[in-house]
Amino acid sequence: KQEVTQIPAALSVPEGENLVLNCSFTDSAIYNLQWFRQDPGKGLTSLLLIQSSQREQTSGRLNASLDKSSGRSTLYIAASQPGDSATYLCAAMDSNYQLIWGAGTKLIIKP
Amino acid sequence: KAGVTQTPRYLIKTRGQQVTLSCSPISGHRSVSWYQQTPGQGLQFLFEYFSETQRNKGNFPGRFSGRQFSNSRSEMNVSTLELGDSALYLCASSLAVGGAPYEQYFGPGTRLTVT
Repeated sequence: KQEVTQIPAALSVPEGENLVLNCSFTDSAIYNLQWFRQDPGKGLTSLLLIQSSQREQTSGRLNASLDKSSGRSTLYIAASQPGDSATYLCAAMDSNYQLIWGAGTKLIIKP
Repeated sequence: KAGVTQTPRYLIKTRGQQVTLSCSPISGHRSVSWYQQTPGQGLQFLFEYFSETQRNKGNFPGRFSGRQFSNSRSEMNVSTLELGDSALYLCASSLAVGGAPYEQYFGPGTRLTVT
């Protein structure tokens, strides 16, 4: 049974710092892995999707990597800004097209 | 292009009642998935529909059901509501090229409170 873990659960950093959020999964047979952000009381915004055959994806200041052999994905945020404050969730899609979710990392960027 | 829409946005029901939530996917998307989000359990998969067929179902009791219409719009129904059904219900649509879901786009959710 696939399990997804995100570390750390919470992170507070000063504005301008580069940071890394971690996501690990137990079953390497994933279809893809997707990173989302969720603002308080809101829905989910898709940030990046990495197909199982890919190693990384980039969008602006965000870079996500995928290492299926080690069961890990990282989300790198460059030059963090207060507007990046949110909860970041990773989700692995299994062969049944079901997203298995991590519990999220709550990120606070201090001005 | 309009995003995923969900109605209603907020709902208050009492125990024992039933409720129907609606989701309109992005135009052209044929796959619709439903998720439940609670503070204790996080995000959990309910079911996924493609071309009016339920392809997969999560580990939820039979009180939770859904359907998809020919225009890809989807509804989910919860019967005999329990306090524990209070949650944010999220719908996601996907282009599903060749039937396989690709990037999932989420609606704003329906917040259901059961009293």
